[in-house]
Amino acid sequence: DTGVSQDPRHKITKRGQNVTFRCDPISEHNRLYWYRQTLGQGPEFLTYFQNEAQLEKSRLLSDRFSAERPKGSFSTLEIQRTEQGDSAMYLCASSFQNEQFFGPGTRLTVL
Amino acid sequence: AQSVTQPDIHITVSEGASLELRCNYSYGATPYLFWYVQSPGQGLQLLLKYFSGDTLVQGIKGFEAEFKRSQSSFNLRKPSVHWSDAAEYFCAVVTNYGGSQGNLIFGKGTKLSVKP
Repeated sequence: DTGVSQDPRHKITKRGQNVTFRCDPISEHNRLYWYRQTLGQGPEFLTYFQNEAQLEKSRLLSDRFSAERPKGSFSTLEIQRTEQGDSAMYLCASSFQNEQFFGPGTRLTVL
Repeated sequence: AQSVTQPDIHITVSEGASLELRCNYSYGATPYLFWYVQSPGQGLQLLLKYFSGDTLVQGIKGFEAEFKRSQSSFNLRKPSVHWSDAAEYFCAVVTNYGGSQGNLIFGKGTKLSVKP
């Protein structure tokens, strides 16, 4: 068990471009979460999957954001038409019961 | 709505000194509470958690926390700080672990610096 992995670790993009992040949870964890963390703040919840079903989305998840977990394993988070305000650390976590295990995050910088 | 407050943005302690990081929560029912630590370039690591039972919980790396319902607090403590404890610490409450939800609500964090 290698823990939760995220790819890429860093992404620099220009405003208006689309970006996609990947999260590989701990195997057999049925729950997967995406959070966003900006400088000086704690992580903020974006969305949550149980197996392949997306069960909850935060109001932070605008129409430009979409997340998938097609086979109940890995998940992707896509941001379309990126804006400078999207610059943040995007964290993924997975859980089986009552503890969430976090990945190292993807740091997005939008120029 | 649930919320978590960490009143101290930055704390500096001397190596070997004791540490207490404050956390207050707002939640209608019995909360599930967590403390995470985040080192630069690292993900969040769980230090300890409280669900029920003994209000003094022990965690990893010599940390402990005490749940006080009357004060809506869950303060993190360590009797003797090591230089490697320098990091950012986050208190969190989960919304509803019994059901289909269960996302964490985090405080803004407390950055710990350790003086030699």
